[in-house]
Amino acid sequence: RKEVEQDPGPFNVPEGATVAFNCTYSNSASQSFFWYRQDCRKEPKLLMSVYSSGNEDGRFTAQLNRASQYISLLIRDSKLSDSATYLCVVFRTSGGGADGLTFGKGTHLIIQP
Amino acid sequence: DGGITQSPKYLFRKEGQNVTLSCEQNLNHDAMYWYRQDPGQGLRLIYYSQIVNDFQKGDIAEGYSVSREKKESFPLTVTSAQKNPTAFYLCASSFPSLTGELFFGEGSRLTVL
Repeated sequence: RKEVEQDPGPFNVPEGATVAFNCTYSNSASQSFFWYRQDCRKEPKLLMSVYSSGNEDGRFTAQLNRASQYISLLIRDSKLSDSATYLCVVFRTSGGGADGLTFGKGTHLIIQP
Repeated sequence: DGGITQSPKYLFRKEGQNVTLSCEQNLNHDAMYWYRQDPGQGLRLIYYSQIVNDFQKGDIAEGYSVSREKKESFPLTVTSAQKNPTAFYLCASSFPSLTGELFFGEGSRLTVL
């Protein structure tokens, strides 16, 4: 099983709809979790950290389920500008990438007018 | 404004040539990183440095070299020993207590002809 897995998509969603996607991780010792957004041919940018209690930032809600080892991202009232690739990132101090970070391959989201 | 600057944005090189990618940051971050991204793939760590004059190999260091003579600068050399150098290269930086929040440069796209 890969350390961080995401459905690559693409997810084609009409504008205004709600969309959700998950990311699963294999190592239960993982400590921190993040969603990054990457526009086409651009650099990734931090979208939000994921806290154990779940957290919300405007139209975006992130949740962590440690028992099932997945994190989720929910986007409400989707906008055309939400079209991007969403990267799941997992951190643990021992292992993962050499710096402790493991990036998922990303989920491609397309919001259609 | 603080940030990370990578140059050049686009670079073409012939097989057998070394090329150096520049990365400069004015965020006063101690840690700097080089990642490689291939189409449909997650980011893979090439090298990272937590402090000046010290750096560690990442997961795919073969065929690459770095230096960290100044806190602000972390250049990456892609040598002729790198078998598949065509890729999107991303430089990032963070505070020493890395928990996953990285600040990325805009990237350098290298094409080997």
